[in-house]
Amino acid sequence: EADIYQTPRYLVIGTGKKITLECSQTMGHDKMYWYQQDPGMELHLIHYSYGVNSTEKGDLSSESTVSRIRTEHFPLTLESARPSHTSQYLCASSKRGSTDTQYFGPGTRLTVL
Amino acid sequence: KNQVEQSPQSLIILEGKNCTLQCNYTVSPFSNLRWYKQDTGRGPVSLTIMTFSENTKSNGRYTATLDADTKQSSLHITASQLSDSASYICVVSDRGSTLGRLYFGRGTQLTVWP
Repeated sequence: EADIYQTPRYLVIGTGKKITLECSQTMGHDKMYWYQQDPGMELHLIHYSYGVNSTEKGDLSSESTVSRIRTEHFPLTLESARPSHTSQYLCASSKRGSTDTQYFGPGTRLTVL
Repeated sequence: KNQVEQSPQSLIILEGKNCTLQCNYTVSPFSNLRWYKQDTGRGPVSLTIMTFSENTKSNGRYTATLDADTKQSSLHITASQLSDSASYICVVSDRGSTLGRLYFGRGTQLTVWP
């Protein structure tokens, strides 16, 4: 079982609200990632980080933002949630190497009404 | 375009039976191929990883094969159990970037019936 945690597990909010999805890992991994996954579809990379103070946008355009102030923490923020943001958000982390296994958190299921 | 295609999309088998899931990819330059298991409402968990030089890897009742020439992989599950019900995702990594970009298939949804 990977030591990577996400909160909340489920979130139902109204349109226009600001939300932050939390992700923490205790494995000392340098790299962290955020993926978006819709039912029956593949995971899409939306943000990643090589380490502290490093953040990059992924393949899928997203209105969310991320920060990496501490190695173990990689929160994702939506300033104004919309129904189109309804999805599952998965956080992952890996060691420094490009071929190292990514370990995934349990995910946050977000529903925007 | 780098892609990962999986088949079948879904599969139902009876407990105790064997099954094989397929993965075809076009990712280049190839680094490695992983099979992940994703339970409903959970994050994916790595089952096996294979590099270019490996053509088979086992993890308990799970056996993965890789044919790097034809760019195909399979995951064979032996003596299925109810707990095997999950989505099985084929993930291919390229070695063309420092990130080690992952390309995900859409998964095969396996249901094991008693």
